Amino acid sequence: QKEVEQDPGPLSVPEGAIVSLNCTYSNSAFQYFMWYRQYSRKGPELLMYTYSSGNKEDGRFTAQVDKSSKYISLFIRDSQPSDSATYLCAMSGNTGGFKTIFGAGTRLFVKA
Amino acid sequence: DTGVSQDPRHKITKRGQNVTFRCDPISEHNRLYWYRQTLGQGPEFLTYFQNEAQLEKSRLLSDRFSAERPKGSFSTLEIQRTEQGDSAMYLCASQTSGPPSTQYFGPGTRLLVL
Repeated sequence: QKEVEQDPGPLSVPEGAIVSLNCTYSNSAFQYFMWYRQYSRKGPELLMYTYSSGNKEDGRFTAQVDKSSKYISLFIRDSQPSDSATYLCAMSGNTGGFKTIFGAGTRLFVKA
Repeated sequence: DTGVSQDPRHKITKRGQNVTFRCDPISEHNRLYWYRQTLGQGPEFLTYFQNEAQLEKSRLLSDRFSAERPKGSFSTLEIQRTEQGDSAMYLCASQTSGPPSTQYFGPGTRLLVL
């Protein structure tokens, strides 16, 4: 079993839709939860960063962390064609090391 | 441009050859990470430096792989006797010390081993 599970998609939605992206994880030591966006042939760029449980909002993006269920989500409101990319969840924390564990990424297509 | 840079951006090599990649982190970042990413997968951790000290290596990093950060600034990743399975995107990221903060990724080096 992978430490972080993420549905690879692809997920195709019409412009303006609300998008929900999710990850589950198994290691309860994770404390820091991130969402990265990766365009084709580019390095990942950080979208959202959350410590422990709770919600965080930034513009059209909302990140949620439920540590009791080991489940994290990213919501994108009013999705735009420019949001079409691969979205990677990532986690780190007191795991005995410094590494960040990434999900496989979900490919999102937003159709105009 | 003050972001993370990587060189080369693309590398094609024949099986058995050695290759070396370079990463220049953001100047004030003392933490540096190397990752490997294959198609349809997220980045996989390879190794981590704090300043010039290599503090963690993944079990994925076979003895054909070596990384250095001699002066705590730029880093190199060398792969000896390349194999076709080494074909991947190699990503570098840097980060400030202190409470966990954003890792800034470079554009990656795409390696193809023929």
